[in-house]
Amino acid sequence: SAVISQKPSRDICQRGTSLTIQCQVDSQVTMMFWYRQQPGQSLTLIATANQGSEATYESGFVIDKFPISRPNLTFSTLTVSNMSPEDSSIYLCSGRLAVDNEQFFGPGTRLTVL
Amino acid sequence: ILNVEQSPQSLHVQEGDSTNFTCSFPSSNFYALHWYRWETAKSPEALFVMTLNGDEKKKGRISATLNTKEGYSYLYIKGSQPEDSATYLCAPSMYSGGGADGLTFGKGTHLIIQP
Repeated sequence: SAVISQKPSRDICQRGTSLTIQCQVDSQVTMMFWYRQQPGQSLTLIATANQGSEATYESGFVIDKFPISRPNLTFSTLTVSNMSPEDSSIYLCSGRLAVDNEQFFGPGTRLTVL
Repeated sequence: ILNVEQSPQSLHVQEGDSTNFTCSFPSSNFYALHWYRWETAKSPEALFVMTLNGDEKKKGRISATLNTKEGYSYLYIKGSQPEDSATYLCAPSMYSGGGADGLTFGKGTHLIIQP
């Protein structure tokens, strides 16, 4: 199994600012992902964080809005840029030990944008 | 975008009763199905990863079955306890040639166990 931690656990931000969320895994995971859950919605995949290269974004998500870094196998960051109230969500980091193994989640970052 | 349906959306069950709910997903290019339990303010907890048609998995009072040909999975909870109250999420992953994609989640079944 893997234990995933995220910082911050929650934040309240002003419109137009940016927030960087950090994700740390206690094991070397092969894959890392970023998800968000908007109020009343399902968990939605934002992107796959690739080590040492640009993240792979899902339809509807772009690098300018959600820049992602993954400098090594155990750490990744997600930035929510130029925030608006619609970005208020829970953002979760996730890691998978191998392609067909369990996928583990962090506790999430609860973001409120005013 | 995958269409993942979970039903019912919410469920109230008396303590001690058994219950079940459904996840349906596209059957083409199926790779694996994941079930999670998510309690408020905690990490989603992985319950099962299922890959084979007809697979059945069990973890204590919770079990799950998988039908990949028709694209559905059932989650069963036997003798519900208050600590079972949570949102149960299912997520299929599909084969993309290079391996499994990231998970696409349903909206979940919100289970409340009433004492």
